Amino acid sequence: EDQVTQSPEALRLQEGESSSLNCSYTVSGLRGLFWYRQDPGKGPEFLFTLYSAGEEKEKERLKATLTKKESFLHITAPKPEDSATYLCAVLRNQFYFGTGTSLTVIP
Amino acid sequence: AAGVIQSPRHLIKEKRETATLKCYPIPRHDTVYWYQQGPGQDPQFLISFYEKMQSDKGSIPDRFSAQQFSDYHSELNMSSLELGDSALYFCASTRKSAGGPLFGPGTRLTVL
Repeated sequence: EDQVTQSPEALRLQEGESSSLNCSYTVSGLRGLFWYRQDPGKGPEFLFTLYSAGEEKEKERLKATLTKKESFLHITAPKPEDSATYLCAVLRNQFYFGTGTSLTVIP
Repeated sequence: AAGVIQSPRHLIKEKRETATLKCYPIPRHDTVYWYQQGPGQDPQFLISFYEKMQSDKGSIPDRFSAQQFSDYHSELNMSSLELGDSALYFCASTRKSAGGPLFGPGTRLTVL
């Protein structure tokens, strides 16, 4: 069965404390992996698309990497405004979302 | 740049009533997705359209139907509303095989 699992479910970091979020998947025939940021009550905001193992994308304090079975979202020196839920989604015939990681960055 | 537009942004209905949610995708995007997101849950795929034809169907109740019109806007019709239908409903659009879908701001449906 196709599955997308994100860990941890919740993460609390001190401002400036770097960490990584994990997205593992068992979807066969992957056509792409996508990271989104979602603030409460708002639509997911697109961050990155990764298509092949070994690919990396960066944007400000965020860096996404992809292997054959998982993706990592690395957050370097996070700030309180990075607090949000981070969702990953994989594309096969449709987009399958993980359950998200709720990130809280404490000043 | 233009984003995905959804209307209304908030909707309050009584049980057993009907509701229609509208989505206007980004210009030149040919694929539209509808998602339902309950509190604290990840978005659940309902249905998608590619070039005005239904392309995939997820966990959409039989009480719900959707279509995409000639101008590419899409409508999600929900009948016999139940309390459990209260959720955020997101529409997202993309150009096929051109990256992740871009989401609209959502419609918050409350069923009383």
